[in-house]
Amino acid sequence: EDQVTQSPEALRLQEGESSSLNCSYTVSGLRGLFWYRQDPGKGPEFLFTLYSAGEEKEKERLKATLTKKESFLHITAPKPEDSATYLCAVQAGYSSNTGKLIFGQGTTLQVKP
Amino acid sequence: DSGVTQTPKHLITATGQRVTLRCSPRSGDLSVYWYQQSLDQGLQFLIQYYNGEERAKGNILERFSAQQFPDLHSELNLSSLELGDSALYFCASSHNLYRGLPLVYEQYFGPGTRLTVT
Repeated sequence: EDQVTQSPEALRLQEGESSSLNCSYTVSGLRGLFWYRQDPGKGPEFLFTLYSAGEEKEKERLKATLTKKESFLHITAPKPEDSATYLCAVQAGYSSNTGKLIFGQGTTLQVKP
Repeated sequence: DSGVTQTPKHLITATGQRVTLRCSPRSGDLSVYWYQQSLDQGLQFLIQYYNGEERAKGNILERFSAQQFPDLHSELNLSSLELGDSALYFCASSHNLYRGLPLVYEQYFGPGTRLTVT
């Protein structure tokens, strides 16, 4: 069964204290791995799509990387406005034509000033 | 702003009732998806429509149904509501990212409808 596991569940950082969030996946035929940011009561906001092992993408203080078993979301010198829940999701089934996303439970990040 | 719109933002109703949630996708997107987010289950895929036709089904209850209209907006109908149906319901839309096979669908989410069943 396709599965996505995120760790840690919660992370508290001081402003400027860099860290990484982990997303481990077990899927048959990864087509894409996605990172989203979600603020309380809001819809997930798209951040990145990663397609293959070794790929990296950056956006401001965020950098996402992908290996054959996991993805990391690195946060460099975070600010309080980076506080949110970060969700990882995968699309599986190499020959599938569906867009079903399988989500992890998320990591809730709190950045204190 | 993702460009995906959902109405209403909030809905409070009683058990046994029926409600309809509406979604308008981003301009040009042919696929619409519905997801349910509850505290204990996280984000769960319900159903996908592509250009008016059902493309994929997740763990959608038989009491729930959806459709996509010719103008590409979609509606999710929830009937015989139970307390456990209280959740956030999100719509997302996508276009194909055609990089050859495999097909990848990059999804953009709407603001959601918060359903409370009392």
